[in-house]
Amino acid sequence: KNQVEQSPQSLIILEGKNCTLQCNYTVSPFSNLRWYKQDTGRGPVSLTIMTFSENTKSNGRYTATLDADTKQSSLHITASQLSDSASYICVVTPYNNNDMRFGAGTRLTVKP
Amino acid sequence: EAQVTQNPRYLITVTGKKLTVTCSQNMNHEYMSWYRQDPGLGLRQIYYSMNVEVTDKGDVPEGYKVSRKEKRNFPLILESPSPNQTSLYFCASSPQQGGGGKLFFGSGTQLSVL
Repeated sequence: KNQVEQSPQSLIILEGKNCTLQCNYTVSPFSNLRWYKQDTGRGPVSLTIMTFSENTKSNGRYTATLDADTKQSSLHITASQLSDSASYICVVTPYNNNDMRFGAGTRLTVKP
Repeated sequence: EAQVTQNPRYLITVTGKKLTVTCSQNMNHEYMSWYRQDPGLGLRQIYYSMNVEVTDKGDVPEGYKVSRKEKRNFPLILESPSPNQTSLYFCASSPQQGGGGKLFFGSGTQLSVL
């Protein structure tokens, strides 16, 4: 069983709407949690990073939250744009370990 | 421009014909790694390197080789490719030697083994 589970697997929303992507993990203890955005045909690009002591981190219209007690993170996208269409990948790094754990990603499609 | 460069971008080959996918970074990063990405499975690590001449297996190393003779280069070698190695491959580097550093990815290599 993967240590990082993302939901939903795919999501379609209309331009201008908000959405929230989920990441549940079992990695513990962990060093940090990152969200990456991967455009079709391109490599992933880091959006946010949070350590275990942080609850929220924003990057423009992207806001990541972290609940270390329930081992859940979410990525909230506000006022979506067509360019937000991409896959979003959650990556958790165990404490004192090189073994990053990747989620399978959520495929987001923003329609006009 | 700081970047990770992979070549080729697309590759079609036949079973058993040795191939090399090159990866080069110009950011003086210590850490480099290779991943394959398959639908529904996400990114899986093949091999990683903490520094020159230091390489370690990731989650799915079978059928692959790597080398790290220079800091900037980290080629992925398939000695005898098989159809189950058809996948999208990514090279990445990170300034942080340990895990958890921000990964900078190449643009990917789409490999098809017939």
